[in-house]
Amino acid sequence: RKEVEQDPGPFNVPEGATVAFNCTYSNSASQSFFWYRQDCRKEPKLLMSVYSSGNEDGRFTAQLNRASQYISLLIRDSKLSDSATYLCAVSKQGAQKLVFGQGTRLTINP
Amino acid sequence: EAGVVQSPRYKIIEKKQPVAFWCNPISGHNTLYWYRQNLGQGPELLIRYENEEAVDDSQLPKDRFSAERLKGVDSTLKIQPAELGDSAVYLCASSRGTGGGNTIYFGEGSWLTVV
Repeated sequence: RKEVEQDPGPFNVPEGATVAFNCTYSNSASQSFFWYRQDCRKEPKLLMSVYSSGNEDGRFTAQLNRASQYISLLIRDSKLSDSATYLCAVSKQGAQKLVFGQGTRLTINP
Repeated sequence: EAGVVQSPRYKIIEKKQPVAFWCNPISGHNTLYWYRQNLGQGPELLIRYENEEAVDDSQLPKDRFSAERLKGVDSTLKIQPAELGDSAVYLCASSRGTGGGNTIYFGEGSWLTVV
């Protein structure tokens, strides 16, 4: 079993729709959680960190469920520009090492 | 602020040939990473440096891969000899300091095709 798992998709949704991704992790010692965005043939870029209480940044909401060991990303009112691959990443306490999921590919259709 | 700089961006080589990638991290970032990303997969850590010291190289295939970070700034990753399965994107990244609270920034990657 991989340490971090994501549904690879692809997810194809119409513009304006709400879409949600989940990511599960197996290491209960994981303490830091992130969502990265990766455009085609580009490098991953940090989208947002995920905090225990959940956090929101505009149309994006991230949630953490420690009991079930998963994190989620919700995108509301999706835009064409949201089309990308979304990677979740986790690291252990004090460890500056990110373990990534395989990424979920999202396409927003006009 | 300049980002992580990598070169070359693209490289095509024949199997059994050597190849080297270079990385210049963001100024002031003392932690440097090399990740490998295969098509359709997430990045996987090959090696992590804190200053000049390789603190995690457990996933570096040491029979053919080597890396160095002289003077704790620039780094090179070498593959010798390359195999077909080494075709991937090699991503360099850096962060300021250590600990889970530091954001990791990636370079654009070096795309390797082994034929």
